[in-house]
Amino acid sequence: GENVEQHPSTLSVQEGDSAVIKCTYSDSASNYFPWYKQELGKRPQLIIDIRSNVGEKKDQRIAVTLNKTAKHFSLHITETQPEDSAVYFCAATGGTSYGKLTFGQGTILTVHP
Amino acid sequence: DSGVTQTPKHLITATGQRVTLRCSPRSGDLSVYWYQQSLDQGLQFLIQYYNGEERAKGNILERFSAQQFPDLHSELNLSSLELGDSALYFCASSVAGTAYEQYFGPGTRLTVT
Repeated sequence: GENVEQHPSTLSVQEGDSAVIKCTYSDSASNYFPWYKQELGKRPQLIIDIRSNVGEKKDQRIAVTLNKTAKHFSLHITETQPEDSAVYFCAATGGTSYGKLTFGQGTILTVHP
Repeated sequence: DSGVTQTPKHLITATGQRVTLRCSPRSGDLSVYWYQQSLDQGLQFLIQYYNGEERAKGNILERFSAQQFPDLHSELNLSSLELGDSALYFCASSVAGTAYEQYFGPGTRLTVT
């Protein structure tokens, strides 16, 4: 089945800096890669996603890039704000994992004012 | 608010007992997914139902079972509970059965004492 590795496990930045979180996946047939933000005690919230026929997608301060050859995808947050502090999860599905989302281990992002 | 509802919010029970968690998907969504989130295991996919039928299965224990009813709400039954079953249980829903664009409910926090 699919395996997703996420790095780093913790990330600390100053307000206004950029933050990058990286994930690798194992199943070359996976074709959908969402990112979720989870604040303490809250539900995971879908913030951006990308499909395998696209290399990059942007939504305001958030962007995701996908490299199918290397089987990795990344979340980029620019001009970080304290409210961006949360746990971020990447995930993958498709191929042999049809119907299942396999999540990375999560990255705790802290943005210092 | 994602539109996905879950009840109850909190549940405290003893080892060996059985509990039922309930989930109502967003209006128009046909798929329901169940996830377990614990500190050491992250977000783990349990099972998916699509329009009343089981569609995909993760590492769901035999003590756990689920079903989706004709009105599309779903229930997750956990029996012979053990201390290690203490976790946050989330359900998510999506329009199709592909696992794309899943929206999570607020979760049920289960504590087994």
